[in-house]
Amino acid sequence: DIQMTQSPSTLSASVGDRITITCRASRDISDWLAWYQQKPGKAPKVLIHKVSRLQSGVSSRFSGSGSGTEFTLTITSLQPDDFATYYCHQYNIYSPTFGQGTKVEIK
Amino acid sequence: DVHLVESGGDLVQPGGSLRLSCPASGFTLSSCTMSWVRQAPGRGLEWVSSISAASSAGSTTYYAESVKGRFTISRDNSKNTLYLQMDSLRADDTAVYYCAKGDGYNPPCFDSWGQGTLVTVSS
Repeated sequence: DIQMTQSPSTLSASVGDRITITCRASRDISDWLAWYQQKPGKAPKVLIHKVSRLQSGVSSRFSGSGSGTEFTLTITSLQPDDFATYYCHQYNIYSPTFGQGTKVEIK
Repeated sequence: DVHLVESGGDLVQPGGSLRLSCPASGFTLSSCTMSWVRQAPGRGLEWVSSISAASSAGSTTYYAESVKGRFTISRDNSKNTLYLQMDSLRADDTAVYYCAKGDGYNPPCFDSWGQGTLVTVSS
């Protein structure tokens, strides 16, 4: 299986900050990379697919970049609603795999 | 609007069985890859199984190694419903199970999720 490693595991930030989360794949996944946001007790919600394509209805404060094995999710002007856990997900081949998650906390 | 509602989660003893259901509305379930993803308490997301869109050649099923031979994914097109038959359940199968709609690719990005159903395996 392709391993997905996210960093950091936890990130403390303030409203208005710009933050970046990194996801590394154990081998080349081309552009088959998505990012999800999950809040406690809720289902995940897709933010970005194919590395940088914003899902319909998602704020433009979210953006993704990268290719191959290294990818980033950037959130600008952090809002109170953005404090959540974020997961990367490779869907290049079966078995699809997720990163371990990055919890974004209020500083 | 796409709507997925899982049901069937319960407390079951080790070695027992459960069948999860996920009726869909707002789209035709057989037109895309559908999947089950689980999340153990306090843990991250783990893909469990997928079934590809229906075609003239039929559908293909895929399973995580941890559930292969114990879980069976299926679909009833007449009811627009996805299922997960879970046999020989173990304590480490305890999790919230989500059904997820694929975006058209296979493997898919999961573009819609249900609210989840809790499966607890314990004696």
